[in-house]
Amino acid sequence: QSALTQPRSVSGSPGQSVTISCTGTSSDVGGYNYVSWYQQHPGKAPKVMIYDVSKRPSGVPDRFSGSKSGNTASLTISGLQAEDEADYYCCSYAGRFIFVFGTGTKVTVL
Amino acid sequence: EVQLVESGGGLVQPGGSLRLSCAASGFTFSSYWMIWVRQAPGKGLEWVASIKEDGSEKYYVDSVKGRFTISRDNAKNSLSLQMNSLSAEDTAVYYCARNYNGLGYWGQGTLVTVSS
Repeated sequence: QSALTQPRSVSGSPGQSVTISCTGTSSDVGGYNYVSWYQQHPGKAPKVMIYDVSKRPSGVPDRFSGSKSGNTASLTISGLQAEDEADYYCCSYAGRFIFVFGTGTKVTVL
Repeated sequence: EVQLVESGGGLVQPGGSLRLSCAASGFTFSSYWMIWVRQAPGKGLEWVASIKEDGSEKYYVDSVKGRFTISRDNAKNSLSLQMNSLSAEDTAVYYCARNYNGLGYWGQGTLVTVSS
């Protein structure tokens, strides 16, 4: 049950694209198509932005997209906006209703 | 509207116990796996425990096994987390979440502080 590895921080100017990686193992990210991504603003509860690797809940802007290759999942934010500045966490199913979160990435809009 | 409201957090001494509750409304509670997630101050999210729709299966992160017990009362639309033998490392905001389409709904969290 080791945390998934994410970069500590990423940054971009408004309108640019940023990508956050999430690296696990064949026992979690690589073994299941159940990776989700959460956005968390300071003092707030997390909000799901992507689930099942690439599905977007209703109400989440289509500039948020997810993908996976092998043991690494990725979240891309296209057309970065000021309100996207937040912490982002990936989460993977690891079997038997066990979940593992990523270490978290702070996204800064320059 | 789906709502999850946690309660029961507070200050507890090391070695003490606390019981957290999560009141669910706006959906058929008995149809979903439910999850507890915690976040230590300034730290990342950590999955704590999961419970099956009917309560027959429960899973825990290694660090709380034998100390925490997740349970649910489907008649009362309520999820609980009994926490025993608490230590400073358990200090965190505890969130309950519904498992569907990822962790699609979260409560606002309740703060547990373990300190003498």
